[in-house]
Amino acid sequence: QVQLVQSGAEVKKPGASVKVSCKAFGYSFSSYSIHWVRQAPGQRLEWVAWIDAGTGNTKYSQNFQGRVTLTRDTSASTAYMELSSLRSEDTAVYYCARDVYAASDIWGQGTMVTVSS
Amino acid sequence: DIHMTQSPSSLSASVGDRVTITCRASQSIRNYLNWYQHKPGKAPQLLVYAASRLHSGVPSRFSGSGSETDFTLTISSLQPEDFATYYCQQTYITPQTFGLGTKVEIK
Repeated sequence: QVQLVQSGAEVKKPGASVKVSCKAFGYSFSSYSIHWVRQAPGQRLEWVAWIDAGTGNTKYSQNFQGRVTLTRDTSASTAYMELSSLRSEDTAVYYCARDVYAASDIWGQGTMVTVSS
Repeated sequence: DIHMTQSPSSLSASVGDRVTITCRASQSIRNYLNWYQHKPGKAPQLLVYAASRLHSGVPSRFSGSGSETDFTLTISSLQPEDFATYYCQQTYITPQTFGLGTKVEIK
């Protein structure tokens, strides 16, 4: 079954970093790109970044001012998103999603990241 | 960034009703417009891509139309499982951006 499975919820203090994983099942991981999208409480979905799982090329939203880094491990069919210098406004559900036809057809179940002192 | 304006922000409807949701882009996005259904605690589900193409497995009561700046998602006969929040998304220019969402509630 084609699916993306994300790592579990995280609670972090302001200023810390968090790394979320997204493991692909049921398809050729390197053949597709992965987007990361987040949704803060009561807010719209917000695009964070994109990685070409085959080449490792990345694009980042300027809204994160260099705080986000995407990587992938093709041998493990897993993509990673690391967000540093966390602040309370980063509290959100973070999703990974597979890119196809300039849309996201498969989404992970979401990872809740809570930033609180 | 391209701003996506969805309307209405919420609506109440009955099972069997025809529902229309609109999405307007702040500039032309050709047909790079997708629609998603999102239920609480679940991942968004792709319904329509490229403005009017129905994603595999999506019921035919869903349809999308439009181009350039104005787009519509229509549910021809609302079913109980359709009560959810719907988002439009443009992927014409990075960063891709989403509408604020339309919450469809039971009347």
